[in-house]
Amino acid sequence: GQNIDQPTEMTATEGAIVQINCTYQTSGFNGLFWYQQHAGEAPTFLSYNVLDGLEEKGRFSSFLSRSKGYSYLLLKELQMKDSASYLCAVRDQGAGNNRKLIWGLGTSLAVNP
Amino acid sequence: ETGVTQTPRHLVMGMTNKKSLKCEQHLGHNAMYWYKQSAKKPLELMFVYSLEERVENNSVPSRFSPECPNSSHLFLHLHTLQPEDSALYLCASSPSGTSRTGSSNYEQYFGPGTRLTVT
Repeated sequence: GQNIDQPTEMTATEGAIVQINCTYQTSGFNGLFWYQQHAGEAPTFLSYNVLDGLEEKGRFSSFLSRSKGYSYLLLKELQMKDSASYLCAVRDQGAGNNRKLIWGLGTSLAVNP
Repeated sequence: ETGVTQTPRHLVMGMTNKKSLKCEQHLGHNAMYWYKQSAKKPLELMFVYSLEERVENNSVPSRFSPECPNSSHLFLHLHTLQPEDSALYLCASSPSGTSRTGSSNYEQYFGPGTRLTVT
């Protein structure tokens, strides 16, 4: 079956570093996405990984290991505004780029002063 | 502001009502999506339209009826809904097709959603 696992909740302190893990078991793989969703708002795109390794984008980095079915999102120099839900999603295999995304439940991150 | 707008933002309807949700994207994308987001559940893909043709229909009950009149607009027509249909309904868009390299991020851009309550 298709399954995405990520922790339900995490807490961290302002200025610290936090790592949010995501493991997946899917029938196909054509890329992994991380989205951020603040309460009551739309999910917004953070990062995309399709090859193994680390992708860095400012304070946020995302890592992928396809052989392990594993990814993490690393948030550095945490700010209060980073309190949000972080969604991991895997794109199914197939032609075309409007393929189905399989979503995790999201990790609710609370950043405390 | 992601370039994807949805109206209304909030909707309360009775089980016998008929209403429609509207989504509009200003990004020049060719693919549009309807998702349902409920508490303690992953985002559920309902429908996908690519170049105005429905390419995905995830066993959604017939009381939900999508319409895509052009690549910029997407509707979700609702009738005789059930209380368990109460949720946040999100619209998204993305580019469509296959790039020359065969792969692309082509991330989805989401609208703010319609919070639907069925009474």
